[in-house]
Amino acid sequence: DSGVTQTPKHLITATGQRVTLRCSPRSGDLSVYWYQQSLDQGLQFLIQYYNGEERAKGNILERFSAQQFPDLHSELNLSSLELGDSALYFCASSVEGRGQDTQYFGPGTRLTVL
Amino acid sequence: GDSVTQMEGPVTLSEEAFLTINCTYTATGYPSLFWYVQYPGEGLQLLLKATKADDKGSNKGFEATYRKETTSFHLEKGSVQVSDSAVYFCALSGISGTYKYIFGTGTRLKVLA
Repeated sequence: DSGVTQTPKHLITATGQRVTLRCSPRSGDLSVYWYQQSLDQGLQFLIQYYNGEERAKGNILERFSAQQFPDLHSELNLSSLELGDSALYFCASSVEGRGQDTQYFGPGTRLTVL
Repeated sequence: GDSVTQMEGPVTLSEEAFLTINCTYTATGYPSLFWYVQYPGEGLQLLLKATKADDKGSNKGFEATYRKETTSFHLEKGSVQVSDSAVYFCALSGISGTYKYIFGTGTRLKVLA
């Protein structure tokens, strides 16, 4: 158990809908990362937050947005969903969000868009 | 641009065989390098890391050395076990002072008893 929790575990929805994925980092970690893992794209870094502020942006679509709240939990919002958004979404956390920090991954949320 | 290239899998080995999974990278500056492992149905977990050239990361019998001259970070283990069956990801971060992370595509390892 990494100490990172993600909810829900599974999510099934329809095209055009909007969903919110939630992540709680390990106790004491200030930085949160979001990743998308799909069979054809591998593991893609989406976005990183540090203590409530956006720190780095990867291949995140405009239809996706995220935020980190004062209690340090984070939410990833996915809107106007398409079939191709079906994937595993992982959240990770680290102490300070520096390049050399170890990231601790949650168990993931499996999103299925029908 | 910055990237990580891993050898394609799957890699199938017999128990106690020697393992090498190749990883090379392209990056500006001096990134940190990582190997993460993903067991079936789980999230990724750090296996080992190296933060500067010539550093050797090691854990659970796995080793990798940060080779700046060949821009490589190959993963090795002298004697694999069935329990090592998983997907292994090479990653880099801290490119040119940024916080961006880049993962390789992953290499699936299957160890047969």
